[in-house]
Amino acid sequence: SYELTQSPSVSVSPGQTARITCSGDALSGKYSYWYQQKSGQAPFLVMYEDNKRPSGIPERFSVSKSGTMATLTISGAQAEDEGDYYCYSTDITGNYWAFGGGTKLTVL
Amino acid sequence: EVQLVESGGSLVQPGGSLRLSCAASGFRFGVHWMTWVRQAPGRGLEWVANIYKDGREEYYVDSVRGRFSISRDNARNLLFLQMNSLRVEDTAVYYCMRGRGFDSTNYYPGMDVWGQGTTVTVSS
Repeated sequence: SYELTQSPSVSVSPGQTARITCSGDALSGKYSYWYQQKSGQAPFLVMYEDNKRPSGIPERFSVSKSGTMATLTISGAQAEDEGDYYCYSTDITGNYWAFGGGTKLTVL
Repeated sequence: EVQLVESGGSLVQPGGSLRLSCAASGFRFGVHWMTWVRQAPGRGLEWVANIYKDGREEYYVDSVRGRFSISRDNARNLLFLQMNSLRVEDTAVYYCMRGRGFDSTNYYPGMDVWGQGTTVTVSS
């Protein structure tokens, strides 16, 4: 099965920049998707097709890619941004998908 | 309103079977890939299976291949997950998710709509 790797946790103070990385062998040629999940809730899409924001997602959310790594950047993180973040992408065939292990973002 | 509603989760013994359903509404179900995702207690998200818009392609994570079967009924806007030979490690909340969509003229990015989840517990 395909694997994506994320660091387990990131902690920033309010107003600082949070960066969450995701690495995977096929990421250089496949889109990344990013989800936020808060405790007891279903995941919520915050970025799609690398650097596209769904309606209602603040401009402080962005994604960059370099080689086989994608980075979700939250510029000026706010308390409401706390939660678990998951990257999602597919393998080189486009048929088998995977989530990263998740990164817990703490803003305090 | 665009919505997905899962049902069918319950407590089942190891080796047993269960069929999950996901009812879609508010969008053109028949043009989208559909996906099942699960989350074990205290763990991360795990992609389980995908099915193409017309049902002719299916893909599974290694750990469920041969035991689980994804299917759909486009006439009734329903997605299913038949789970056989269940194991304790299949215990999780199971979510359905809308995937990408295609018709003759348009592309729909999808990946955006999730149900509220249904809980499967495998235990003796």
